[in-house]
Amino acid sequence: AQSVTQPDIHITVSEGASLELRCNYSYGATPYLFWYVQSPGQGLQLLLKYFSGDTLVQGIKGFEAEFKRSQSSFNLRKPSVHWSDAAEYFCAVGPRGQAGTALIFGKGTTLSVSS
Amino acid sequence: DVKVTQSSRYLVKRTGEKVFLECVQDMDHENMFWYRQDPGLGLRLIYFSYDVKMKEKGDIPEGYSVSREKKERFSLILESASTNQTSMYLCASSLEIGGRGYTFGSGTRLTVV
Repeated sequence: AQSVTQPDIHITVSEGASLELRCNYSYGATPYLFWYVQSPGQGLQLLLKYFSGDTLVQGIKGFEAEFKRSQSSFNLRKPSVHWSDAAEYFCAVGPRGQAGTALIFGKGTTLSVSS
Repeated sequence: DVKVTQSSRYLVKRTGEKVFLECVQDMDHENMFWYRQDPGLGLRLIYFSYDVKMKEKGDIPEGYSVSREKKERFSLILESASTNQTSMYLCASSLEIGGRGYTFGSGTRLTVV
């Protein structure tokens, strides 16, 4: 079955510290991979995406993610967290092309930032 | 930028009412989606549409229907609202069903009393 697992429900990080949010997926073939962020009361905003090529992808707001095929993982990182990064983060996977199912989302990781 | 607009940010409806949630996108996207978001459950797909008048059930279609009469508009219908349909509803659109990423609306928080 296709699925996305975000093992950490809630993470607290000190401002200025580094961050890594984990994402593992189960999918028939290498999918497209995404990270979205949701601020309180808002819709989801695309942070970054992986389609092919360089397995380290850069996104907005200083985030990056690394695709590891052997581990079926797509972990999100940021070297130095800012208070404004407090939000909920969703990993998602989807099929290549027009055929197939819609994006599958993980259950999300809530990030809190302490001062 | 693609814009996806959900007509209401907050709605309060009574049990048994027929409820319409409206979503409009302005970038000529073929595909539109309705997700439901609940704490601890993430986003769950209700329905999606890959063309005008075409629709596909998602993971939790029970109690919902959809309408897509025009390419830019995708409506979610709660035929007879129940309290367990109290939730955040998110609409999205995309060029491809799974790939290239979705653009989301700001969401409609529906409370059924």
